[in-house]
Amino acid sequence: EPEVTQTPSHQVTQMGQEVILRCVPISNHLYFYWYRQILGQKVEFLVSFYNNEISEKSEIFDDQFSVERPDGSNFTLKIRSTKLEDSAMYFCATCQGGGIYNEQFFGPGTRLTVL
Amino acid sequence: DQQVKQNSPSLSVQEGRISILNCDYTNSMFDYFLWYKKYPAEGPTFLISISSIKDKNEDGRFTVFLNKSAKHLSLHIVPSQPGDSAVYFCAAPRPDRGSQGNLIFGKGTKLSVKP
Repeated sequence: EPEVTQTPSHQVTQMGQEVILRCVPISNHLYFYWYRQILGQKVEFLVSFYNNEISEKSEIFDDQFSVERPDGSNFTLKIRSTKLEDSAMYFCATCQGGGIYNEQFFGPGTRLTVL
Repeated sequence: DQQVKQNSPSLSVQEGRISILNCDYTNSMFDYFLWYKKYPAEGPTFLISISSIKDKNEDGRFTVFLNKSAKHLSLHIVPSQPGDSAVYFCAAPRPDRGSQGNLIFGKGTKLSVKP
């Protein structure tokens, strides 16, 4: 069964450093999402991406965050200058169709620890 | 206000019995609801969904009930099995026009099924 993959599984970084989290979507999926879950809190939407551009973003997704799909396969989330509060599980999700009636498939997540 | 609430952080059930997981929501504009299951070190896995035009959807041992007047849904698992032990998330796509389906999650309920 096709699945979403994410690398790395765990990333430890120093505050102020840049990190790039990578996701390989399911091959025929066109809509891509990043979510995060801070320990003990809800899974929160960060950004959605379709047709090589951001379609929606949350208040969390400020200027320190960016997304791109540089080579047509990997979908990346970059945090330019990490803060302690960026420590969380980051989940990539992909979907064949957009809108609200489509199931999103989630990757296993990247645990980001900012020291 | 667009919230999805799961007020029970945990639930313990005996194998073979029924598990009932509850979810409430605040916005009557929510049109579609999903349940995801999450094992440790994995991403959320889609389990079952229900559209607001239905009040019940069944898939094998899993049934979701929707009570629109009460803004309440529940997931029933019958019979419960030890392999069902996981965190269960209730989620709903943001209903705003043009939304790409970004999901609003509840906090999750940790189900433990004891042999």
